[in-house]
Amino acid sequence: GQNIDQPTEMTATEGAIVQINCTYQTSGFNGLFWYQQHAGEAPTFLSYNVLDGLEEKGRFSSFLSRSKGYSYLLLKELQMKDSASYLCAVNRRGGATNKLIFGTGTLLAVQP
Amino acid sequence: GAVVSQHPSRVICKSGTSVKIECRSLDFQATTMFWYRQFPKKSLMLMATSNEGSKATYEQGVEKDKFLINHASLTLSTLTVTSAHPEDSSFYICSASLRSYNEQFFGPGTRLTVL
Repeated sequence: GQNIDQPTEMTATEGAIVQINCTYQTSGFNGLFWYQQHAGEAPTFLSYNVLDGLEEKGRFSSFLSRSKGYSYLLLKELQMKDSASYLCAVNRRGGATNKLIFGTGTLLAVQP
Repeated sequence: GAVVSQHPSRVICKSGTSVKIECRSLDFQATTMFWYRQFPKKSLMLMATSNEGSKATYEQGVEKDKFLINHASLTLSTLTVTSAHPEDSSFYICSASLRSYNEQFFGPGTRLTVL
């Protein structure tokens, strides 16, 4: 089977740092994506990890440990506009086509 | 980045009618398109994977006769919700990729409300 877990909600303060964790159990693992989604809109790509380690992109960083089935998204210098849902998605090999399996999403509220 | 459009962005229909949603890749040829459904405050659930020129592959629990998918060209896939019912009301999102293992580019979504 497959299972992807994230905290349901998180709250943080403007200017602070927040870490959103994601744990997964799946066969055919072929990388992990993080997406941001504002209410009523489509997800937008934030990061992709396929090898262990940290990927940094501006205020956003993502970490992956394949042996532990664990990833996190780190958001620095939080801004009010960062209030959104953050979706962890595992890229899973499935026959001829890879598929994205999404976690439940973490709703982040940034407060002044 | 690659742009994917969906049409319509919002549709309201009566129970029992059919609704067609279009997904287009505007600046690239998408060999694979995906259809997702998202209920309020829930995550995206993959409904089906569509490769150009072949039949769609549906996820377990998704009725292929109810959700008809056509992927006639490398830039267009359509999802038709047949005989829609209120429980089909949801946010439908498509995505497209150049190859099945590459990053998926998401469309803006279609909000379907069935009365």
